[in-house]
Amino acid sequence: DGGITQSPKYLFRKEGQNVTLSCEQNLNHDAMYWYRQDPGQGLRLIYYSQIVNDFQKGDIAEGYSVSREKKESFPLTVTSAQKNPTAFYLCASSMGGADYGYTFGSGTRLTVV
Amino acid sequence: AQSVTQPDIHITVSEGASLELRCNYSYGATPYLFWYVQSPGQGLQLLLKYFSGDTLVQGIKGFEAEFKRSQSSFNLRKPSVHWSDAAEYFCAVGNFGNEKLTFGTGTRLTIIP
Repeated sequence: DGGITQSPKYLFRKEGQNVTLSCEQNLNHDAMYWYRQDPGQGLRLIYYSQIVNDFQKGDIAEGYSVSREKKESFPLTVTSAQKNPTAFYLCASSMGGADYGYTFGSGTRLTVV
Repeated sequence: AQSVTQPDIHITVSEGASLELRCNYSYGATPYLFWYVQSPGQGLQLLLKYFSGDTLVQGIKGFEAEFKRSQSSFNLRKPSVHWSDAAEYFCAVGNFGNEKLTFGTGTRLTIIP
């Protein structure tokens, strides 16, 4: 079945370390997105990509980096520069236009210890 | 810029009672509107969407929503809730030419027996 796979489901990181969250889709979608979710704040856009080898910053890109070397994959790196990385991270994809809506992965919960 | 307001942070209803979750958007032209549902620790699942045409939209799980341009609203309704409807609900808005969706802060729904 087609879908989006995020891994791992839970991730623990020590302060000062970089960590990479995986997002893979087999829906043949052009666009992919990373959101951060914190209680009471809804979903905030970190980065998005409309085509391979191209991506744009969202509303809260500081302390994060991404790559889009393959259409199927859009990994997110949470760097040590991110001041408060503990959150639930959601990856999504779409066929490219806002009218299609998004398909979401099941999320990764990152905790800094 | 587009924006979404979900004025109710938390709603509690009895099983079998009717439900209405409010969503107001801000955007000049005709928006694309969505409702998503999220179970704890999971990704978001699309309930329904509105692009144009009939202002009353039917979705999955017995939900419906009505687009009211005069009130800039897209409220979600269900005639009779089930315990399994307990979750968090997000309204989102997009528009033609902009592949990004803007999400509201969510409404958490609790069902009491």
